[in-house]
Amino acid sequence: QKEVEQDPGPLSVPEGAIVSLNCTYSNSAFQYFMWYRQYSRKGPELLMYTYSSGNKEDGRFTAQVDKSSKYISLFIRDSQPSDSATYLCAMEAAGNKLTFGGGTRVLVKP
Amino acid sequence: DAGITQSPRHKVTETGTPVTLRCHQTENHRYMYWYRQDPGHGLRLIHYSYGVKDTDKGEVSDGYSVSRSKTEDFLLTLESATSSQTSVYFCAIAPVAKGKETQYFGPGTRLLVL
Repeated sequence: QKEVEQDPGPLSVPEGAIVSLNCTYSNSAFQYFMWYRQYSRKGPELLMYTYSSGNKEDGRFTAQVDKSSKYISLFIRDSQPSDSATYLCAMEAAGNKLTFGGGTRVLVKP
Repeated sequence: DAGITQSPRHKVTETGTPVTLRCHQTENHRYMYWYRQDPGHGLRLIHYSYGVKDTDKGEVSDGYSVSRSKTEDFLLTLESATSSQTSVYFCAIAPVAKGKETQYFGPGTRLLVL
């Protein structure tokens, strides 16, 4: 079983809808949680990061961490076609080493 | 964009040949990483560096070696390339000042081993 599980998708939504993404994990030592966006044939770019449990909002993006359930989420409001990408969750316990989920491909249709 | 470049961006090589990939940064960050990305596996850490000449293994280090003789350059060598090393390779850097959790990625190198 992988330490971090993420549904590969694709997740297809109409423009303007809310995109809901999530990851589950098994390692209770994870403290830092990140979401990366990766466009086709590009490197991942950091979208959000949070420490421990709670919510964090940045524009149209909201990240949630529930450590008791070992579950993290990313919500994208008012989705745009430019949000079509693969979204990767990543987690860190200590020592600057990240563990990534496999990524969820998102398609936002005009 | 973080100042990270990778070279070459694409490479085709034959089984058994050595291959070296280069990561160059202009940010003067302490930490540098090499990942590979494969369908169904996401990003997996190969090796990382926490300073000049200071490196350590990641989860998939077999068949790979690294070197860091200068802050700005981190080299990944496939000592004898195999078809299982066909992948997309990403370099990442992390700034000490901002904390451990923020890694910034380069554009990637697509490697095909025939």
